[in-house]
Amino acid sequence: DAEITQSPRHKITETGRQVTLACHQTWNHNNMFWYRQDLGHGLRLIHYSYGVQDTNKGEVSDGYSVSRSNTEDLPLTLESAASSQTSVYFCASSLLAGGSDTQYFGPGTRLTVL
Amino acid sequence: GQNIDQPTEMTATEGAIVQINCTYQTSGFNGLFWYQQHAGEAPTFLSYNVLDGLEEKGRFSSFLSRSKGYSYLLLKELQMKDSASYLCAALDSNYQLIWGAGTKLIIKP
Repeated sequence: DAEITQSPRHKITETGRQVTLACHQTWNHNNMFWYRQDLGHGLRLIHYSYGVQDTNKGEVSDGYSVSRSNTEDLPLTLESAASSQTSVYFCASSLLAGGSDTQYFGPGTRLTVL
Repeated sequence: GQNIDQPTEMTATEGAIVQINCTYQTSGFNGLFWYQQHAGEAPTFLSYNVLDGLEEKGRFSSFLSRSKGYSYLLLKELQMKDSASYLCAALDSNYQLIWGAGTKLIIKP
């Protein structure tokens, strides 16, 4: 069965360190998204990609970067982790262009920055 | 600015009916999604409305009024497993999803 996976599921790191969160999907979806979810806030879009070599900034992109070298993977990098980046991170993918399609979410990565 | 409003928390009784409201203000509008999210898990798709009216899917129904910027999710015959957060999200003119903070639904026996 097709799926979307994230690793690690939990990560504790220190302020200033570089951290990369992995996202891998086997749906063969063109669109991939990274969100963060914090108490009291809705899901907030960090970066998204509509295909290989395409990346775009979302609402809260400062301090984060992504790259899309193949269809299956969209790793999220925190260049220099900050305590404000402690959050739960969700990766999602969808098939149709334009965003009016169901997004399928990975299980999430809980990141703690000390 | 763009904004989605939904109640923070609601409580209902097993077997009853509950309606979760969502109002939205977005730059353009290309549809509204409802997702369910159990504690500690990923959101999962429930419904998508782009035209006015009610769409029924088993025990769950979703309603949209574009002129009022309003939607609701109706859950019938509530079961304990329906205890979850329900996320409303509107698709704006750039086809970006604007998410509400979610409504935590507590089901009591």
